Amino acid sequence: GQNIDQPTEMTATEGAIVQINCTYQTSGFNGLFWYQQHAGEAPTFLSYNVLDGLEEKGRFSSFLSRSKGYSYLLLKELQMKDSASYLCAVRDSNYQLIWGAGTKLIIKP
Amino acid sequence: ETGVTQTPRHLVMGMTNKKSLKCEQHLGHNAMYWYKQSAKKPLELMFVYNFKEQTENNSVPSRFSPECPNSSHLFLHLHTLQPEDSALYLCASSQEIPGQGADTQYFGPGTRLTVL
Repeated sequence: GQNIDQPTEMTATEGAIVQINCTYQTSGFNGLFWYQQHAGEAPTFLSYNVLDGLEEKGRFSSFLSRSKGYSYLLLKELQMKDSASYLCAVRDSNYQLIWGAGTKLIIKP
Repeated sequence: ETGVTQTPRHLVMGMTNKKSLKCEQHLGHNAMYWYKQSAKKPLELMFVYNFKEQTENNSVPSRFSPECPNSSHLFLHLHTLQPEDSALYLCASSQEIPGQGADTQYFGPGTRLTVL
């Protein structure tokens, strides 16, 4: 079967750096997405990786290793507003999105 | 400001009620989706419409009935729901490229549904 694994919950301190990991086993691969979802709000698109390597976008970076079936989202200079759930999703060979259950990130002062 | 809107934002209904959820996208996309989001579970894809044609129905119970009158509007009609149907229902849209699949999906804020 197809599977996406990510930690259920993480806690970090304001101003610090946190890395949220995502491992996947899917039927083929056509890209990996990260979304941010604040409580009671819409998931919003953060990043897309289809080739190996690091994609940097301001305080957020996303890394992909296709051979390892692994990605991470790196958040730097954490702010209280970064408290949210972070969803990892992989597009398989049929271009269907397979979703992880999300990682709830708690930022403490 | 989101390009995908959903109404109502909150809905409480009894098991014998009939209600409808509405979604509208202002992004010019040609594909729309209904998802169910339950606590600590992955998003569950319910229905997909591409070019107004339903292309996917992931074994969703018949008490959920979708309708897509045009590429900008999507409805989910609800009838005789069960308490386990209580969840956040999310609508999304994307641009489907023939032969290449769908581009990034953009979500609405969801409808929080409680079935008593």
